[in-house]
Amino acid sequence: AQKVTQAQTEISVVEKEDVTLDCVYETRDTTYYLFWYKQPPSGELVFLIRRNSFDEQNEISGRYSWNFQKSTSSFNFTITASQVVDSAVYFCALSEETGANNLFFGTGTRLTVIP
Amino acid sequence: ETGVTQSPTHLIKTRGQQVTLRCSSQSGHNTVSWYQQALGQGPQFIFQYYREEENGRGNFPPRFSGLQFPNYSSELNVNALELDDSALYLCASSFQTSSGRAKNEQFFGPGTRLTVL
Repeated sequence: AQKVTQAQTEISVVEKEDVTLDCVYETRDTTYYLFWYKQPPSGELVFLIRRNSFDEQNEISGRYSWNFQKSTSSFNFTITASQVVDSAVYFCALSEETGANNLFFGTGTRLTVIP
Repeated sequence: ETGVTQSPTHLIKTRGQQVTLRCSSQSGHNTVSWYQQALGQGPQFIFQYYREEENGRGNFPPRFSGLQFPNYSSELNVNALELDDSALYLCASSFQTSSGRAKNEQFFGPGTRLTVL
């Protein structure tokens, strides 16, 4: 069975601090896809990144970076030099190769960046 | 801007009523997925439509039904509304190849917030 766990319910940091959001997943598929989405107060889910199970290279996009480790089934997300605009709920999600192209979401981590 | 639109933005219904939510997919996309997000939770997959047919379904009862139209827009219908149906309903569009195996990213609309009294 598939499962995504985001153990951190809420995190608060002071502006310019670095913060890492944890994500641990479970799946029986050998081919799968991992995602991070940002949900600001407006409610719309904003796509941040997709990573497939065969690509363990870490990725950096501006202040955002992602660390994918199959050995620990983790796909963590780091924001460097956080800004107030980063305040949102962040969701990690999993999509499996088998079945429909649907996403299994974690329960989310609410990040508050304090100015 | 994702290009996925949903209507209405907000809706208030009473228990036992029926509701229809609408979604227009992003240009070039042929697949629409619907998710229910209860307060404080992650979105839960309801079902997906690909080329006007249901292509997968989550753990939701039959009173949740849908349609996809030739222009790839979609409707979500919920009959016999219950209090627990109060949630944010999100529509996501994506593109799948004919083999159905391309797991491309899904782009979400702003959602419809449904309140059942």
